[in-house]
Amino acid sequence: EDKVVQSPLSLVVHEGDTVTLNCSYEVTNFRSLLWYKQEKKAPTFLFMLTSSGIEKKSGRLSSILDKKELFSILNITATQTGDSAIYLCAVLHYGQNFVFGPGTRLSVLP
Amino acid sequence: DSGVTQTPKHLITATGQRVTLRCSPRSGDLSVYWYQQSLDQGLQFLIQYYNGEERAKGNILERFSAQQFPDLHSELNLSSLELGDSALYFCASSVGVDSPLHFGNGTRLTVT
Repeated sequence: EDKVVQSPLSLVVHEGDTVTLNCSYEVTNFRSLLWYKQEKKAPTFLFMLTSSGIEKKSGRLSSILDKKELFSILNITATQTGDSAIYLCAVLHYGQNFVFGPGTRLSVLP
Repeated sequence: DSGVTQTPKHLITATGQRVTLRCSPRSGDLSVYWYQQSLDQGLQFLIQYYNGEERAKGNILERFSAQQFPDLHSELNLSSLELGDSALYFCASSVGVDSPLHFGNGTRLTVT
């Protein structure tokens, strides 16, 4: 059965800290891995990774995929209170279905 | 704003009733996905449509059904509602096969 695991499930840091969120997967016919940020309502798209070893960056956020070891990490540097959210990892497979992990709840304290 | 519109935002109904949730995808997106999110289950895939045809099915209950219309909007019908159906129901759309999903703000369903 397709599975996406995220760790930690919950994390509390202070503003300015750097955090690393982990996502590992067991999915048949992998196509791509995606990261989303969910605040109060809709998950919003952050990154889509299809190739191993290529880092994607957007401001203080960056992500990289390791297809050999079947995992990805999402880094957030110099965290701000506005980064507080649930971060979801999802994997797209050839069945064209996105399988989501349980999410990491990040709380950034002032 | 993702461009995906879901209505209604909130729905409160009684057990045994039937409801319809509506979704309008982003302009140009042909694929529509439905997900259920509850506190203890995370985002669970229900069903996907592409240009009017069902493409993939998840653990969707037989009491639930969906369709995508020629104008590409989609409806999710939930019948014989049970307390356990209370959840946030998201619609998402994408332009194509290898494209990310863009989510609507969800419909919060409460079954009393």
